[in-house]
Amino acid sequence: AQKVTQAQTEISVVEKEDVTLDCVYETRDTTYYLFWYKQPPSGELVFLIRRNSFDEQNEISGRYSWNFQKSTSSFNFTITASQVVDSAVYFCALSEAMKTSYDKVIFGPGTSLSVIP
Amino acid sequence: NAGVMQNPRHLVRRRGQEARLRCSPMKGHSHVYWYRQLPEEGLKFMVYLQKENIIDESGMPKERFSAEFPKEGPSILRIQQVVRGDSAAYFCASSRPGQAYNSPLHFGNGTRLTVT
Repeated sequence: AQKVTQAQTEISVVEKEDVTLDCVYETRDTTYYLFWYKQPPSGELVFLIRRNSFDEQNEISGRYSWNFQKSTSSFNFTITASQVVDSAVYFCALSEAMKTSYDKVIFGPGTSLSVIP
Repeated sequence: NAGVMQNPRHLVRRRGQEARLRCSPMKGHSHVYWYRQLPEEGLKFMVYLQKENIIDESGMPKERFSAEFPKEGPSILRIQQVVRGDSAAYFCASSRPGQAYNSPLHFGNGTRLTVT
């Protein structure tokens, strides 16, 4: 069965600190997609990144970076020099769309990040 | 270039009433997904529909919940005889056929259902 674990329920950091959000996933399939979504206090879901299982290259986008390690089934997300606007709940997610051709996405429980000014 | 549109944004129902949530997919999209987010939890898949067809409803509660995506008009998630446990945020996403390979799901802003 597929599962996404985000062990950190809540994290608080002071502005400008770096913070890493952990994500561990389980799947029996060799082909899958991994995602991160952000849910700010206003409630909408903001797509951040999708990575397919064939591509283990780390990715950097501005202050955001992602570390995909297939050997440990982890897809961690780091925010560098955090800002108050980064305060949100962050969801890691898994999809077997490569197998099913549609996005039945399994979400983790989320990590609530508070950035304190 | 409108995204996925959901309405209403907030819905309050008394126990026993019916709730109807609407989702208008992005232009050109014929596939719709519904997800539910219970308080303090992540999103859970409910149902995947194509025009006039339910493809996967493995996440739908067996009773009181139904979904449709007619040939014309928005997709509707219907909850009959609501109970307090139905209070949640309901998110919709849409896609084109085969799009799962090319781009990720983008979600609407959700409908927050409160059952009093």
